[in-house]
Amino acid sequence: AQSVAQPEDQVNVAEGNPLTVKCTYSVSGNPYLFWYVQYPNRGLQFLLKYITGDNLVKGSYGFEAEFNKSQTSFHLKKPSALVSDSALYFCAVNAGNMLTFGGGTRLMVKP
Amino acid sequence: DVKVTQSSRYLVKRTGEKVFLECVQDMDHENMFWYRQDPGLGLRLIYFSYDVKMKEKGDIPEGYSVSREKKERFSLILESASTNQTSMYLCASSLVTVYNEQFFGPGTRLTVL
Repeated sequence: AQSVAQPEDQVNVAEGNPLTVKCTYSVSGNPYLFWYVQYPNRGLQFLLKYITGDNLVKGSYGFEAEFNKSQTSFHLKKPSALVSDSALYFCAVNAGNMLTFGGGTRLMVKP
Repeated sequence: DVKVTQSSRYLVKRTGEKVFLECVQDMDHENMFWYRQDPGLGLRLIYFSYDVKMKEKGDIPEGYSVSREKKERFSLILESASTNQTSMYLCASSLVTVYNEQFFGPGTRLTVL
């Protein structure tokens, strides 16, 4: 069985500071890893994914994520946070036919 | 752009009612999915479909059924709604391969009284 853990329910960061949203996964076989973002009253939007190759993946809105196979992690990062980045972020893994999501991390960026 | 639409943004139903949630996608995607989203639990898969008239159970299928008569449309049915089915329901679609991202609709917030 595959699983995803997002250990922080909420992350607070000041605008302009770097941000990290953590994600670890458990899966047998090669993982396909995803990050999605959900703004208030909207569906999920795809941010980025890791399939194979370079461990640093770049995505939408200046976000990037680093795949670390030995630590089974896929942390989401951004060098300089914006207030408009405040949202709910979900990590997900697909190692079969279905996506398994983490519980979500609320990112709050304060001016 | 892929568009996934859901028939209602907000829905209020009574316990025991039959409830239909409709989802339509316009990008000819083979796969379609129904999730429910609850605080702290993330998204949990109810059912998915990889072709017309085909369906597979997800993690929490109990109390739900689905129908896919046309490729673009995937319906979620609550045969007899209960208060513990009060939730946000999200529909998604994707191409068939496992590394393709899913595209989500705006969600339906269902309240069962």
